[in-house]
Amino acid sequence: EVQLVESGGGLVQPGGSLRLSCAASGFTFSSYSMNWVRQAPGKGLEWVSYISSSSSTIYYADSVKGRFTISRDNAKNSLYLQMNSLRAEDTAVYYCARDQSLGVSERGWFDPWGQGTLVTVSS
Amino acid sequence: QSVLTQPPSASGTPGQRVTISCSGSSSNIGSNYVYWYQQLPGTAPKLLIYRNNQRPSGVPDRFSGSKSGTSASLAISGLRSEDEADYYCAAWDDSLSGFVVFGGGTKLTVL
Repeated sequence: EVQLVESGGGLVQPGGSLRLSCAASGFTFSSYSMNWVRQAPGKGLEWVSYISSSSSTIYYADSVKGRFTISRDNAKNSLYLQMNSLRAEDTAVYYCARDQSLGVSERGWFDPWGQGTLVTVSS
Repeated sequence: QSVLTQPPSASGTPGQRVTISCSGSSSNIGSNYVYWYQQLPGTAPKLLIYRNNQRPSGVPDRFSGSKSGTSASLAISGLRSEDEADYYCAAWDDSLSGFVVFGGGTKLTVL
């Protein structure tokens, strides 16, 4: 069974840091690009970051560029999101999602998603 | 303000057919594939429609997607109580420094 399990969320003060992890199983992790998508409480979905299978291509949403760093360890079947200089507006459930796209025009094809991990930024 | 525009709410009675619209522009829906995600209360999003109108295995054929120009639609026929959820459209946008854009979501209520 294909599975993604996020961890590492919690309560952090503004300006603080947090590292999220996503453990993948049931598929060849090293063959797939991956994404982080977040959802603020009661709000819609917001794409956060993308990393290609070999880590050669990385993208960030403008809202997190320069503060967040996506990475992966294919040997450990794991995806990471290092979040620095956290702000109240970063409070959200963070999901990791496998990228199914085969080309640029197909991007947005996320399947499956993990169950999410909640990050709360508050003093 | 989402790049893709969806109605915030929709409703229908059991057995009815409902449609949810998703409006974009030439840089997203007009030139790229559209995806639909279903988010049941308290759960993670789930892929419902890919490549405009394709259903993943396991998704009932009551769900269908379509695209015309810079707009897309999700149709749900034979509405059931378990279809009550939030629905999101998504597409890649050529013009933004962002990557994938989502609609603001539509809350579907089964009356």
